Amino acid sequence: GQNIDQPTEMTATEGAIVQINCTYQTSGFNGLFWYQQHAGEAPTFLSYNVLDGLEEKGRFSSFLSRSKGYSYLLLKELQMKDSASYLCAVRDRGGATNKLIFGTGTLLAVQP
Amino acid sequence: GAVVSQHPSRVICKSGTSVKIECRSLDFQATTMFWYRQFPKQSLMLMATSNEGSKATYEQGVEKDKFLINHASLTLSTLTVTSAHPEDSSFYICSARPATGATYEQYFGPGTRLTVT
Repeated sequence: GQNIDQPTEMTATEGAIVQINCTYQTSGFNGLFWYQQHAGEAPTFLSYNVLDGLEEKGRFSSFLSRSKGYSYLLLKELQMKDSASYLCAVRDRGGATNKLIFGTGTLLAVQP
Repeated sequence: GAVVSQHPSRVICKSGTSVKIECRSLDFQATTMFWYRQFPKQSLMLMATSNEGSKATYEQGVEKDKFLINHASLTLSTLTVTSAHPEDSSFYICSARPATGATYEQYFGPGTRLTVT
């Protein structure tokens, strides 16, 4: 079966660091994505990992361990505007189109 | 940057009627477009994958006769919800994969909020 797990909700303080974890079990693997989604809006791309290790992009970093089926998104210097849902998605190698399978998302609330 | 538009952004229709949602890639050609549905406080669920000029591939549990998908050109895909019912009320989001560039790229439209009364 296919399963992607993330915490449902998290709370953090402005200026702090927060780590959002994602574990996955999929029939195929061809990369892992993190998206940010504000309520009522479309997801926006944050990061893509296909090899093990850490990818850093400004205040956002994403880590992948394929052997453990594990990824995390690290947000530094949190701002109020970072309050959003963060979606972990795995690209399934099955088929020609490599479709994305999304986790349930983690709703992050940044407090003053 | 790559932009994907959806029209309409919001639609309210009566039960039993049909609604068409358009997804357009504005500044790139998309060989593949994806249609997702998202219920409140839930994640995106892939409904179907459409490739230009061929029939869409539907995910398990999605009725192809109810959700008609047409990908007539490299910049336009449409989703028609036929004989809509209140349980079809949802946020429908499309995404498009560019014909050129990195194969992992996929750009999302702003979504269409459908309410069936």
